Amino acid sequence: DAGVTQSPTHLIKTRGQHVTLRCSPISGHKSVSWYQQVLGQGPQFIFQYYEKEERGRGNFPDRFSARQFPNYSSELNVNALLLGDSALYLCASSLVGTTNTGELFFGEGSRLTVL
Amino acid sequence: AQSVSQHNHHVILSEAASLELGCNYSYGGTVNLFWYVQYPGQHLQLLLKYFSGDPLVKGIKGFEAEFIKSKFSFNLRKPSVQWSDTAEYFCAVNGKGGGNKLTFGTGTQLKVEL
Repeated sequence: DAGVTQSPTHLIKTRGQHVTLRCSPISGHKSVSWYQQVLGQGPQFIFQYYEKEERGRGNFPDRFSARQFPNYSSELNVNALLLGDSALYLCASSLVGTTNTGELFFGEGSRLTVL
Repeated sequence: AQSVSQHNHHVILSEAASLELGCNYSYGGTVNLFWYVQYPGQHLQLLLKYFSGDPLVKGIKGFEAEFIKSKFSFNLRKPSVQWSDTAEYFCAVNGKGGGNKLTFGTGTQLKVEL
């Protein structure tokens, strides 16, 4: 069974550029969440989407945006990149919109380096 | 605001030693609690979870954790570690009905030596 797939796995950008990261959830999963993991820290919540609607947003600036498509895949967009945006971006999917009845399944992540 | 504190950043143990990783959380309501593990070169995966009921929960690979509400703690334990337990361990919390907004601790890097 295919797990959560993310692309690209690694990318390098320069300050001020824009980046789009993609995520395909496990088949049948309707909820996708995005997390940022800076080196040496735990993952930090950015967004949750469930049934194509935003269901939660973390403490990130408006440069960060996301959307979920009818096939439940998702994109994370970051504009005007800063050096501090360098991190591993994790996508997680789940069957339902809360963790009360399910668990999060994480992808391998997209490693973004901003120069 | 939610927060999670993991007391040990790096732990080195010999095989067969007992393990206890500390986790304390701060949250003004009812919570769900999780331990995730990341083996070298692999993605984060769920080790165990607590939603309600028996405060002693058992997970995969012989791990268990105890929820002590009065201490806001959810410590992870294993009686006898193996070399294959070498990994990074993350404690996480979310409020009931909080969707998939997990708050993670900074992680504990466990190295088990032969």
